[in-house]
Amino acid sequence: AQTVTQSQPEMSVQEAETVTLSCTYDTSESDYYLFWYKQPPSRQMILVIRQEAYKQQNATENRFSVNFQKAAKSFSLKISDSQLGDAAMYFCAYGLEEGSQGNLIFGKGTKLSVKP
Amino acid sequence: EAGVTQSPTHLIKTRGQQATLRCSPISGHTSVYWYQQALGLGLQFLLWYDEGEERNRGNFPPRFSGRQFPNYSSELNVNALELEDSALYLCASSLVPRAADTQYFGPGTRLTVL
Repeated sequence: AQTVTQSQPEMSVQEAETVTLSCTYDTSESDYYLFWYKQPPSRQMILVIRQEAYKQQNATENRFSVNFQKAAKSFSLKISDSQLGDAAMYFCAYGLEEGSQGNLIFGKGTKLSVKP
Repeated sequence: EAGVTQSPTHLIKTRGQQATLRCSPISGHTSVYWYQQALGLGLQFLLWYDEGEERNRGNFPPRFSGRQFPNYSSELNVNALELEDSALYLCASSLVPRAADTQYFGPGTRLTVL
């Protein structure tokens, strides 16, 4: 069975600094997708970034980038120039490319605090 | 374009009662997913519906059930409520019925069982 592990329950970063959130996963599949979702205190989950496992190039979205290490099954999220609005719960998630498992598998989340 | 909507925002029930939660997906999305977010446990997958059919369910007892209507909206029913059912229930929708497609989440329904 696939699992997703986020080993950092809480992280803190100074405004304008860079922070990296860790995520590891376990799977025997070769075709899958990885996601980082953000859940601000208002509760609405929003997609931050998405990575296709077959792509070697790391995905980037403005200040957000990932370090995808397929062999190590590692998928970390780097937030550059942190802003107060980045404070939220961050969830790493895994999804299969095909098959009957259409759902995502989530880690338990990392709570990020941003200090002014 | 309207996002995923859920109702009610909050729901308070007593143990043994039934709860019904509703979800409307983004227009054009046919897949609806239900997740339970209990404190400290992250998101646990409950149910996945696509084109009116249940495609997959998570490791939850049968008292968690649901359905999808012809307009692709969905309902989650929880029977014989237990205290540990207290959680935030999130609904998500996607355009394509596979996990590779981005899932868009609603604001959730906070269920409290007393």
